[in-house]
Amino acid sequence: NAGVMQNPRHLVRRRGQEARLRCSPMKGHSHVYWYRQLPEEGLKFMVYLQKENIIDESGMPKERFSAEFPKEGPSILRIQQVVRGDSAAYFCASSPTNANTGELFFGEGSRLTVL
Amino acid sequence: AQKITQTQPGMFVQEKEAVTLDCTYDTSDQSYGLFWYKQPSSGEMIFLIYQGSYDEQNATEGRYSLNFQKARKSANLVISASQLGDSAMYFCAMREPGGSYIPTFGRGTSLIVHP
Repeated sequence: NAGVMQNPRHLVRRRGQEARLRCSPMKGHSHVYWYRQLPEEGLKFMVYLQKENIIDESGMPKERFSAEFPKEGPSILRIQQVVRGDSAAYFCASSPTNANTGELFFGEGSRLTVL
Repeated sequence: AQKITQTQPGMFVQEKEAVTLDCTYDTSDQSYGLFWYKQPSSGEMIFLIYQGSYDEQNATEGRYSLNFQKARKSANLVISASQLGDSAMYFCAMREPGGSYIPTFGRGTSLIVHP
């Protein structure tokens, strides 16, 4: 049973370009969460999605950032017109439930570097 | 207010000794879940242990145990017989109804195990 798959593992973009990060959850998991981790810091929640629905995007910047989880295919985190401050590790996690007991299964992260 | 507080930015322990990593949390919910994750230098997030708020016994998983003190709202991770491979960042997290069950993470504690 494959784990959470994220790609690319590393992405380099110049300021103003777009970054697209992909995440395929574990089989049977319908709850997907995106987190951002800055150097020397913990994980900051960005967005929670289920298939075709954004459930909670309270942690996502209002501009330039968007996320989707289509009926078919992976979840996508899209960052338009990247700036140096977007450089971070972006983690996707999936869970079989959205409840107290559901552990998160993480992907290996996508490390974005903005030049 | 911080939902999860990890006050130890860094900890050092001698190989084969036990170490306790502190975590306190803030919630007004009665039902919640507490988790610990390990992040080695390679960057992936590894689930270690889970404690439910209604669990009467402290959770244990191999060399990991969770010292759950509900009245004090603390959920400290105890690692027994430390190994060099335990050197990593450790994150405490919580899921609660008041937070829509979206996992909230602390800032982490860096553990270094000395030979």
